[in-house]
Amino acid sequence: DAGVIQSPRHEVTEMGQEVTLRCKPISGHDYLFWYRQTMMRGLELLIYFNNNVPIDDSGMPEDRFSAKMPNASFSTLKIQPSEPRDSAVYFCASSTLSSGGMTDTQYFGPGTRLTVL
Amino acid sequence: AQKVTQAQTEISVVEKEDVTLDCVYETRDTTYYLFWYKQPPSGELVFLIRRNSFDEQNEISGRYSWNFQKSTSSFNFTITASQVVDSAVYFCALSEFQGAQKLVFGQGTRLTINP
Repeated sequence: DAGVIQSPRHEVTEMGQEVTLRCKPISGHDYLFWYRQTMMRGLELLIYFNNNVPIDDSGMPEDRFSAKMPNASFSTLKIQPSEPRDSAVYFCASSTLSSGGMTDTQYFGPGTRLTVL
Repeated sequence: AQKVTQAQTEISVVEKEDVTLDCVYETRDTTYYLFWYKQPPSGELVFLIRRNSFDEQNEISGRYSWNFQKSTSSFNFTITASQVVDSAVYFCALSEFQGAQKLVFGQGTRLTINP
């Protein structure tokens, strides 16, 4: 089975530009998570969706960040305008409910390394 | 609030040595999950294990073993007979037991296995 797919794998942009990161979760998974990894703050949850609906966006750093999930197989994380401090690796992860009704393990995509100059 | 502490920032050992990575957590929940993930130099996050707070039985998978002690809020990870391919950053994480199981990560331990 294909794992979580993220694109692009690397993105270099200039300050002020709009950046869009993309994620395709594992088929059948109904939870989707966006995490950010930086040297200063480590791995932190930005937002998660359940059945395409944003449930908790308390980790989104600023209004410059927005995330959408228009359907079960696609999500975007957008930064507009981008700033150098947004440089990080952005991970997408997905999971599903197990047969016991509990959420299963999260599986991560390869990440997108974003550099804002 | 939940918190995970990995006090060892970096560990360096010679191949074939055993090495233990420490993880201490804080939570007010009585039930929860604990995880270990591996991040090799290529950058992806690889799931290694998930344990629920009900089960304090140690687990062994090949050269990997995990020691969960609820009394000390620790979930340590041991690699026996380490190999160069074990070189990576290892993250311990904690999540709620129900709901989405949002992960709270420790800062990670960078493990270098020297030939």
